[in-house]
Amino acid sequence: SAVISQKPSRDICQRGTSLTIQCQVDSQVTMMFWYRQQPGQSLTLIATANQGSEATYESGFVIDKFPISRPNLTFSTLTVSNMSPEDSSIYLCSVEFWAAWNTEAFFGQGTRLTVV
Amino acid sequence: GESVGLHLPTLSVQEGDNSIINCAYSNSASDYFIWYKQESGKGPQFIIDIRSNMDKRQGQRVTVLLNKTVKHLSLQIAATQPGDSAVYFCAENQNSGGSNYKLTFGKGTLLTVNP
Repeated sequence: SAVISQKPSRDICQRGTSLTIQCQVDSQVTMMFWYRQQPGQSLTLIATANQGSEATYESGFVIDKFPISRPNLTFSTLTVSNMSPEDSSIYLCSVEFWAAWNTEAFFGQGTRLTVV
Repeated sequence: GESVGLHLPTLSVQEGDNSIINCAYSNSASDYFIWYKQESGKGPQFIIDIRSNMDKRQGQRVTVLLNKTVKHLSLQIAATQPGDSAVYFCAENQNSGGSNYKLTFGKGTLLTVNP
């Protein structure tokens, strides 16, 4: 299992500014995942962050808008850049543990972002 | 592309009743499915999972049923309690190569339990 802490838990930001979200895990993990959950919607994977290499972004998400850092095996940050009201969402980080036949994902509590 | 979705966006039940939450998936190659519960203000929490070589798996008060013929997944909650009120997501595990497993989430069903 894993305990994941995200900061901040919520924020209200002005359009055009940037917000960096931090994710701390209580154990070392190879990959960390960043999701976006728009109001009343499901989770959409933004990118996968490996330690020591560039993040892999999903279709529709780009590094300039969502730069990610992964300085070590327990920590990652996601920055939402040049924010607009459309970026208002919950952002979640996640880690996964893979066994022989299953995958268990653990999530942080999320960062609720409102852009005004 | 492939997707995982739900039939019902909302479900309201009386305390003590059984709840059934449904999910349809479209990727016949998927071999692993998971149900998550997300309470307000929290991240999703693992409930139960099932492999494609199974059609039923039981946990404590929860049962997941998989029908591969019609690509349908359901979560049954017995004796539903107010603490079960949450959004429930099904997720599909897609092997994107090597050990890179990506989860694809369905739309979610809001379960409300009335006392």
